Amino acid sequence: DAKTTQPPSMDCAEGRAANLPCNHSTISGNEYVYWYRQIHSQGPQYIIHGLKNNETNEMASLIITEDRKSSTLILPHATLRDTAVYYCIVRVFNSNSGYALNFGKGTSLLVTP
Amino acid sequence: GAVVSQHPSWVICKSGTSVKIECRSLDFQATTMFWYRQFPKQSLMLMATSNEGSKATYEQGVEKDKFLINHASLTLSTLTVTSAHPEDSSFYICSARAHPPTSPSSYNEQFFGPGTRLTVL
Repeated sequence: DAKTTQPPSMDCAEGRAANLPCNHSTISGNEYVYWYRQIHSQGPQYIIHGLKNNETNEMASLIITEDRKSSTLILPHATLRDTAVYYCIVRVFNSNSGYALNFGKGTSLLVTP
Repeated sequence: GAVVSQHPSWVICKSGTSVKIECRSLDFQATTMFWYRQFPKQSLMLMATSNEGSKATYEQGVEKDKFLINHASLTLSTLTVTSAHPEDSSFYICSARAHPPTSPSSYNEQFFGPGTRLTVL
């Protein structure tokens, strides 16, 4: 799996956009970028994933650079409930590599009033 | 849809006893379930991959005789911590991979349970 690098922590004011970066300079052509988050003492929650195109869903937007070496998760209007650890995971899933997720240390996002 | 439950949500036990944790996919079939462990202020670490009807695959360093995994049906996997010791105290989380996918876009999406907090005295 390609290694990912995320800042250990970030702050964001409530109502503002939270932009969480992730570097994955060794990503290979068939690896997807996945984002999960974990609110304190809960199981992780899937947010979004993408291969090379930008993606948007009801939770967030994912911007992947053209060379795919980095990506940014955008929470357009952060709320206090978005305070969590955000994990960027780069993975190819198949019967050979398996389907487990490899969690790194993630970014601890604190949304403040 | 795509809900995974765990039971119990927390448990306190004495050292030397065994504890069973259940992981259920409530509205989908999960041929593969995963068990993770998370110590305080650390990330999730994969313990084992559980496939329905076959033996679990354990990650390096995880004792299969201590952490017994059973995946007897498409909606239930259990993790039994045998002869628990205080160092086994942790947050145990399961996840399930839906097969077939719950939607075309969720092919590799995993659904996580809420976790079980185990405290061994």
